[in-house]
Amino acid sequence: NAGVTQTPKFQVLKTGQSMTLQCAQDMNHEYMSWYRQDPGMGLRLIHYSVGAGITDQGEVPNGYNVSRSTTEDFPLRLLSAAPSQTSVYFCASSYVTTSGQGVYGYTFGSGTRLTVV
Amino acid sequence: SQQGEEDPQALSIQEGENATMNCSYKTSINNLQWYRQNSGRGLVHLILIRSNEREKHSGRLRVTLDTSKKSSSLLITASRAADTASYFCATDQTGGFKTIFGAGTRLFVKA
Repeated sequence: NAGVTQTPKFQVLKTGQSMTLQCAQDMNHEYMSWYRQDPGMGLRLIHYSVGAGITDQGEVPNGYNVSRSTTEDFPLRLLSAAPSQTSVYFCASSYVTTSGQGVYGYTFGSGTRLTVV
Repeated sequence: SQQGEEDPQALSIQEGENATMNCSYKTSINNLQWYRQNSGRGLVHLILIRSNEREKHSGRLRVTLDTSKKSSSLLITASRAADTASYFCATDQTGGFKTIFGAGTRLFVKA
């Protein structure tokens, strides 16, 4: 089924460990992004990409790195995990309009629940 | 700080009633989107309205956009228990690709 696939679904890390959250989409979407959602809150944008080789920072980029070597994949790397990074992480993708009007509606993955102890 | 802010934070209604949620934002936008999130799940896209549009419909959903007031509303008519979820507005700032979400409205529809 077409969509956005995130792995793993659950992860527990120790403080200071590093890891990569995987995100892949098979819809040929140019735009991909990572959000984190803390309990009872909305989503905060971490990083985004408008195409292969192009990435930019969102609202809360510190402690995270991204790269976009292919259209399909957009991994999120936690460099040195901290308890403050305990959250649910969502990846999303969309087509980009050719009219300068931004993106279309996003397709979201099902999320990765990360706990840092 | 978040671009979009929903109001109310929580809403409880009876099945069959209409539910109205509001979203306010701070800067000029390209688009405004509404999403639904069921507990513990990913977000589902409901509707997108562009800055040059004033109203859109999709099934039981009606979205309005007032760019002069920097606000939008989502109306769900004839609500059902299955509409129980959190609803988020999200805005794309003019000239950019940063989509910023509000904190959401929690809707509870009682059967």
